[in-house]
Amino acid sequence: QKEVEQNSGPLSVPEGAIASLNCTYSDRGSQSFFWYRQYSGKSPELIMSIYSNGDKEDGRFTAQLNKASQYVSLLIRDSQPSDSATYLCAADDRGSTLGRLYFGRGTQLTVWP
Amino acid sequence: DTGVSQNPRHKITKRGQNVTFRCDPISEHNRLYWYRQTLGQGPEFLTYFQNEAQLEKSRLLSDRFSAERPKGSFSTLEIQRTEQGDSAMYLCASSSTDGYTFGSGTRLTVV
Repeated sequence: QKEVEQNSGPLSVPEGAIASLNCTYSDRGSQSFFWYRQYSGKSPELIMSIYSNGDKEDGRFTAQLNKASQYVSLLIRDSQPSDSATYLCAADDRGSTLGRLYFGRGTQLTVWP
Repeated sequence: DTGVSQNPRHKITKRGQNVTFRCDPISEHNRLYWYRQTLGQGPEFLTYFQNEAQLEKSRLLSDRFSAERPKGSFSTLEIQRTEQGDSAMYLCASSSTDGYTFGSGTRLTVV
């Protein structure tokens, strides 16, 4: 059974701090990785994708990928209360382009003012 | 382009009844996916289509579940003889080359 594991949280950080979210995956064949944000009662929203080892930055968000360690992370700089949500990590199935994704259970983040 | 549209938003049904959900993907996306999400869990894959062809179906999708995508446009997901364990959020997504776009979901409650 292919799995994506996330630190369960909840994670609580003060406004302006860096929030660090982590994820490991079991399928060495996975090539594409995604971070989704999900507000309570809403559907997931894509915030970052990463395909190559190293860092990818987009505004306040940085995704990091280490395929050798099968590890993906998301850093949120200058955290805002509006970042409070559940963050879902997802990996593709055996590197299949645009195929099914495996999702972790999510990490709940709270940013307090 | 109004995004991925799902209807209805909420559905309450009695156990044993059949229900059908509809998904209209982003028009230029030819792949369409169905996932199910329960409280505290990540989305679980059910099935996906490329155009009208159903390319993969999860073992989670019992014989009571069927999905169609006639003419490669909108898709329907039908659950027959609903059970209380079917209560969940049913999410539809369509994809470009860079990840999925999810619809707002249909929340099913089986009483």
